[in-house]
Amino acid sequence: QVRLQESGPGLVKPSQTLSLTCTVSGGSVSSGNYYWSWIRQPAGKGLEWIGRIYTSGSTTYNPSLKSRVTISIDTSQNQFSLILSSVTAADTAVYYCAREVSGSYYPIDYWGQGTLVTVSS
Amino acid sequence: DIQMTQSPSSLSASVGDRVTITCRASQTIISYLNWYQLSPGKAPKLLIYGASSLQSGVPSRFSGTGSGTNFTLTLSSLHPEDFATYYCQQSYSSLPYTFGQGTNLEIK
Repeated sequence: QVRLQESGPGLVKPSQTLSLTCTVSGGSVSSGNYYWSWIRQPAGKGLEWIGRIYTSGSTTYNPSLKSRVTISIDTSQNQFSLILSSVTAADTAVYYCAREVSGSYYPIDYWGQGTLVTVSS
Repeated sequence: DIQMTQSPSSLSASVGDRVTITCRASQTIISYLNWYQLSPGKAPKLLIYGASSLQSGVPSRFSGTGSGTNFTLTLSSLHPEDFATYYCQQSYSSLPYTFGQGTNLEIK
């Protein structure tokens, strides 16, 4: 069974950098069959796709966040990470890491439980 | 961006009821439409991919139809664990993938 688990600070100050890591078990981030993604959900709002990374390190980002987002992958640790810079209160959300199937309609077939990140001084 | 519009935004129903949720795309997405279930305290769950393919392990009371711009998710007979929030997502365009605004299914 594939499991994904987000970790990182739950509180970040405005203008600082949000940093989260996703640890994958039961599967490998080195697999060429999947992308590794980040999605967020602000309180009371819908889901927003942040971006994804392939095992090669190739990334795709949401244009609305592209200038502030970096997603990286560490195959030795079977992890991938999200960095979001210059955060504001609007970045307060539950952040999910997830696995997206490469091909066959690109569904997100496994998700982490999510971690709440609050941006506040 | 491709806009995804779900309706209704909320829905009250009883155990055993049949319910349908609709999702409309702002442009054709062929069959690149996926449905997810979000429940408090649980990891989101993929229900349907490619508009109509049932994800492994998902009960057959869930079904999806549609193509082009109009899609539906149907729950044929509600179970207590089905009361959750449902989202559609288009994966036709990767810049960026977009979700509907969600449908909150509540117990009547």
